[in-house]
Amino acid sequence: ETGVTQSPTHLIKTRGQQVTLRCSSQSGHNTVSWYQQALGQGPQFIFQYYREEENGRGNFPPRFSGLQFPNYSSELNVNALELDDSALYLCASSPTGPEGYTFGSGTRLTVV
Amino acid sequence: SQQGEEDPQALSIQEGENATMNCSYKTSINNLQWYRQNSGRGLVHLILIRSNEREKHSGRLRVTLDTSKKSSSLLITASRAADTASYFCATATSGTYKYIFGTGTRLKVLA
Repeated sequence: ETGVTQSPTHLIKTRGQQVTLRCSSQSGHNTVSWYQQALGQGPQFIFQYYREEENGRGNFPPRFSGLQFPNYSSELNVNALELDDSALYLCASSPTGPEGYTFGSGTRLTVV
Repeated sequence: SQQGEEDPQALSIQEGENATMNCSYKTSINNLQWYRQNSGRGLVHLILIRSNEREKHSGRLRVTLDTSKKSSSLLITASRAADTASYFCATATSGTYKYIFGTGTRLKVLA
């Protein structure tokens, strides 16, 4: 139990659909980042939120969007799903910034 | 693109032996972190070393950082079967927030 909870653990969606992944962080964790990890690869940075505002973004198209809420939960939304979006999506949070991230166990998304 | 590249890609050793894996990166960094991942699940933070540090220890783990060579190594001493996992290095480029992960080293410790 890491203190960062992601839901659901597994998800199957059809190409073209939209998906929302959720992350619940520990109290006081003002920084949350999302990563995409394709099979056999290292995690790729999607974006980071601090106090409910996006303050950093990786090389992902606008159909990847996020929200962070005052209760330390956050969402990753992906529109118009493509087959290549199939991956493990990881949420990481920290009270102080990128150092000392605590990662959740991830959501395994399969797009068919 | 991957900033860090781990070497070797895969490593198989006997229980009790030491395991060494290396990470190279391309740009100036604030710090470098090592993570472990079991069976494609969440990442577990192992150790963080700052750019002004050369060596750090945590239990059976020893991490070195050579900023002149843009490389780091992770040594696991007296390995156990439970150490079987993928190990990733992650670097934060100076002035940015995002961590860039390498492709990982898959370690298998045989009992």
